[in-house]
Amino acid sequence: AQTVTQSQPEMSVQEAETVTLSCTYDTSESDYYLFWYKQPPSRQMILVIRQEAYKQQNATENRFSVNFQKAAKSFSLKISDSQLGDAAMYFCAYDRDDKIIFGKGTRLHILP
Amino acid sequence: EAQVTQNPRYLITVTGKKLTVTCSQNMNHEYMSWYRQDPGLGLRQIYYSMNVEVTDKGDVPEGYKVSRKEKRNFPLILESPSPNQTSLYFCASSLGGGLGEKLFFGSGTQLSVL
Repeated sequence: AQTVTQSQPEMSVQEAETVTLSCTYDTSESDYYLFWYKQPPSRQMILVIRQEAYKQQNATENRFSVNFQKAAKSFSLKISDSQLGDAAMYFCAYDRDDKIIFGKGTRLHILP
Repeated sequence: EAQVTQNPRYLITVTGKKLTVTCSQNMNHEYMSWYRQDPGLGLRQIYYSMNVEVTDKGDVPEGYKVSRKEKRNFPLILESPSPNQTSLYFCASSLGGGLGEKLFFGSGTQLSVL
């Protein structure tokens, strides 16, 4: 069965600094998708970034980028120039067939 | 506006009193799903549906029922709620499971079962 593991329950970063959130997953499939979702205090779920497993190029969205290591089954999220609005719970998710599985989340604090 | 509408946002009930949380999407999405979010456990899938009249269990289906009679609606039914079902619930939809499509989430339902 597929699993998604986020090993850092909480992290803190100074405003304007860079932070990396870790995510590992377990699968025997070769084609799948990976996501990072953000949940601010409003509790609305917001898509941050998406990666297709068959694409070697790492996805980027403005200040957000991923380090996708398919062989290692690792999918970390890097946030550059952290802003106060980045404070949220971040969830890594795996999508294959009909099951979309989420990790337990990492709560990110931004220190002013 | 494309959205998933979930109601109610907050619900307090007592053990054993049947309740329904409604979920509706206006994007003609095939895939709909229910999750519960608990501290330290992340989002866990309860049930999902690939299309009308097609539903299947997720990781934590016990104590829940769903139906998909129309494409746009996917209600979550708790026939006899218990305190361990106190949680934050999310409905979500997308064009299709396994297609790498973005999930659109409802605004969540905070349920307390006393």
